Amino acid sequence: SAVISQKPSRDICQRGTSLTIQCQVDSQVTMMFWYRQQPGQSLTLIATANQGSEATYESGFVIDKFPISRPNLTFSTLTVSNMSPEDSSIYLCSVALDGQFFGPGTRLTVL
Amino acid sequence: AQSVTQLGSHVSVSEGALVLLRCNYSSSVPPYLFWYVQYPNQGLQLLLKYTSAATLVKGINGFEAEFKKSETSFHLTKPSAHMSDAAEYFCAVSPNRAGGYNKLIFGAGTRLAVHP
Repeated sequence: SAVISQKPSRDICQRGTSLTIQCQVDSQVTMMFWYRQQPGQSLTLIATANQGSEATYESGFVIDKFPISRPNLTFSTLTVSNMSPEDSSIYLCSVALDGQFFGPGTRLTVL
Repeated sequence: AQSVTQLGSHVSVSEGALVLLRCNYSSSVPPYLFWYVQYPNQGLQLLLKYTSAATLVKGINGFEAEFKKSETSFHLTKPSAHMSDAAEYFCAVSPNRAGGYNKLIFGAGTRLAVHP
């Protein structure tokens, strides 16, 4: 397994602003993933982030709205850009290590 | 395309009773299957995974699941429920044989309530 931390744990933001979420892992991993969990819903994959390459986005998610960085094997960021209330969700990062392990999530509320 | 169906968005059991959470999958290739638990205001914790070895998989906290190819099912069970088992449970499938090294497709989740 791995120890995964996310910052911030929660935030309340104004419409039209952007928020960058950080994900830190205690070991080197090749594959990291970003998921969204809308209120009362299941998880939906936003994108896969491999170190040294562009992130791969799922249908319905675009880089302009959710830019991702993956500067090294232990760290990634997800930015939620030009936010609207519909972006209010929990955002979770995960890493692949013989199964996927998840961070504690970032609870975002957009007013 | 791969998909996961969890039958029953809410399940309620008495403390000490059998827990059965149902999961059926659809996959064009032999799947890898996972169960996760999410406690209130927390992230997801891996309970157990099936990766083509033994069809009966034992996980943490006394949970186990059996892979049944003929029924395309991967139901989660626990012989005796504890109050601390109350949480949201998610079944997930990996759409290729990468053991979780690829994206997971999640079911809608089942909220388990345990009453005294």
